[in-house]
Amino acid sequence: NAGVMQNPRHLVRRRGQEARLRCSPMKGHSHVYWYRQLPEEGLKFMVYLQKENIIDESGMPKERFSAEFPKEGPSILRIQQVVRGDSAAYFCASSGRTSGGDQPQHFGDGTRLSIL
Amino acid sequence: AQKVTQAQTEISVVEKEDVTLDCVYETRDTTYYLFWYKQPPSGELVFLIRRNSFDEQNEISGRYSWNFQKSTSSFNFTITASQVVDSAVYFCALSEPFISNFGNEKLTFGTGTRLTIIP
Repeated sequence: NAGVMQNPRHLVRRRGQEARLRCSPMKGHSHVYWYRQLPEEGLKFMVYLQKENIIDESGMPKERFSAEFPKEGPSILRIQQVVRGDSAAYFCASSGRTSGGDQPQHFGDGTRLSIL
Repeated sequence: AQKVTQAQTEISVVEKEDVTLDCVYETRDTTYYLFWYKQPPSGELVFLIRRNSFDEQNEISGRYSWNFQKSTSSFNFTITASQVVDSAVYFCALSEPFISNFGNEKLTFGTGTRLTIIP
């Protein structure tokens, strides 16, 4: 049973470049969440998606950040024109419903983004 | 607005001692979930427990136990006979009400408690 898969595990970008973070949910899960963890802080919610739909993006910065969860393929968190303040760990979580009811969120190992 | 407070920033105990991590939450919702996650030095997040707001029974899993008290809005976590492998940052989290067909909602995390077990 593969868990939530995130890649890359580490990503280094220079200021002004674009960063693309990928997340494949657990098998059978159709809900994806992205969270950001700044150094020495807790996780902050960014966005909640289902297949082809953004359900809640109240935690997303208004500019440069976008997320998608297409019908086929992983969820993508995209950061354009990165700045030093974007350096953080980005976690993806997935959840879903089974015959046993709704399942708790399980997290991937995160992508550590470093901006030079 | 929801809020989770983990007042203990760092705790150090000697191996085999018991330790309790505190979690206090605020919400106006009557229906919610509470969670604990462990983040070891390697950085991943490990799910430990989810508790429904309607279920105030204490839970025990091996050396771990959880005390949920709605009257004080607390969901404390106790590790008995601590081990070095328990060293990690522990996060308490709260979810918004789950809405039919949408599954779980977003989590609000506390700032975490860094637990160090001294050999």
